[in-house]
Amino acid sequence: QVQLVESGGGVVQPGGSLRLSCAASGFTFSDHAMHWVRQAPGKGLDWVAVISYDESKTYYADSVTGRFTISRHNSKDTLFLQMNSLRGDDTAMYYCTKGDGWTGTAGFDFWGQGTMVTVSS
Amino acid sequence: QSVLTQPPSASGTPGQRVTISCSGSNSNIGTNYVYWYQQFPGTAPKLLIYKDNQRHSGVPDRFSGSKSGTSASLAISGLRSEDEADYYCAAWDDSPRGWVFGRGTKLSVL
Repeated sequence: QVQLVESGGGVVQPGGSLRLSCAASGFTFSDHAMHWVRQAPGKGLDWVAVISYDESKTYYADSVTGRFTISRHNSKDTLFLQMNSLRGDDTAMYYCTKGDGWTGTAGFDFWGQGTMVTVSS
Repeated sequence: QSVLTQPPSASGTPGQRVTISCSGSNSNIGTNYVYWYQQFPGTAPKLLIYKDNQRHSGVPDRFSGSKSGTSASLAISGLRSEDEADYYCAAWDDSPRGWVFGRGTKLSVL
């Protein structure tokens, strides 16, 4: 069965950096686009970024463009999110999600349990 | 990115049929597929409906999706207490390129 396990969250000061990881199993990772979606405490879902199956295309939400970088390591079935210049409004649960197709337009069909990122001094 | 418009809340009694609307624009719902997600407090969202009206594996046929123009709907028939949850719609937006979500609808089963 599909499993997505996020790690790397924690408490970081404003302006700091974190790198999130997502270990995937139960499907052919290199055949699917992958996304990061976040949810601030008590708020709704907020899409962050997507990477195509072959890393050729990436798209970002306006709020993270220039600060966050999505990447993947297909030989290790792992997705990453490098987060720099973190701000208080980046505080959220970050979910790794599997795309139901190859490209960025593929919706999210399976979700991990999330990793919490708290930006606070 | 723009946000899809959902009612903040909806309610029904057991056995009833309820619908949750999701309104967008030509650049998202009007030209791309709509997805629906269910989320219980403290847990990750789960896919209910993909590509406008396809039920995800294991989703009861009480759940159905539809789309017309720039609006979509999720219908839940034979409402049960365990359907009480938050529901979100989502779609790819062509301009600017990225995914957009609705703000979510909290469904109460009275």
